[in-house]
Amino acid sequence: GQQVMQIPQYQHVQEGEDFTTYCNSSTTLSNIQWYKQRPGGHPVFLIQLVKSGEVKKQKRLTFQFGEAKKNSSLHITATQTTDVGTYFCAGPFQGAQKLVFGQGTRLTINP
Amino acid sequence: NAGVMQNPRHLVRRRGQEARLRCSPVKGHSHVYWYRQLPEEGLKFMVYLQKENIIDESGMPKERFSAEFPKEGPSILRIQQVVRGDSAAYFCASSPWGDPNSPLHFGNGTRLTVT
Repeated sequence: GQQVMQIPQYQHVQEGEDFTTYCNSSTTLSNIQWYKQRPGGHPVFLIQLVKSGEVKKQKRLTFQFGEAKKNSSLHITATQTTDVGTYFCAGPFQGAQKLVFGQGTRLTINP
Repeated sequence: NAGVMQNPRHLVRRRGQEARLRCSPVKGHSHVYWYRQLPEEGLKFMVYLQKENIIDESGMPKERFSAEFPKEGPSILRIQQVVRGDSAAYFCASSPWGDPNSPLHFGNGTRLTVT
């Protein structure tokens, strides 16, 4: 079936350390989207990657889309307590009019 | 600019009762998606609707769950005869186009607790 897998499921870091979450799709994606959900909150769109090998940056966040358009990563440099939350990747699957979400990586930070 | 509005924010129902969850999309958006999130889990697609049409309900349980998006008014997710396993956060998202390539705007969700 259509699957988007994310690892790790949980990550705990010291403030100031880096953090990376990885996303893998069972099929090639036309694009991949990343969302962040704060504890008790709702998912908020962060970014969309469309091109093979694309890299985008938002301040301390770096997003990559793999050459085969089946995997992606989100890297946060020098984490801050405001980065706490769950990060989801999501992709549309051919023939399906819906976004399929990964199970998310929950980031907690020790100040 | 009002975003996606969901109500109620919290809903408590006893087993066997009905739950009605409402979602008003972003103004001008005619496409609505419902997702369910169990505690400590990801977002599971339930249903995608356009005005007066169900486009994809492949994630909806076959029984007790229904959804609508009438010509006028909010989208409604209805759960009949709720059971404890229905306890979850239900998120609605909207999009201006019926295109899964478009980012989704999520509401604050309805946290359903079944006692």
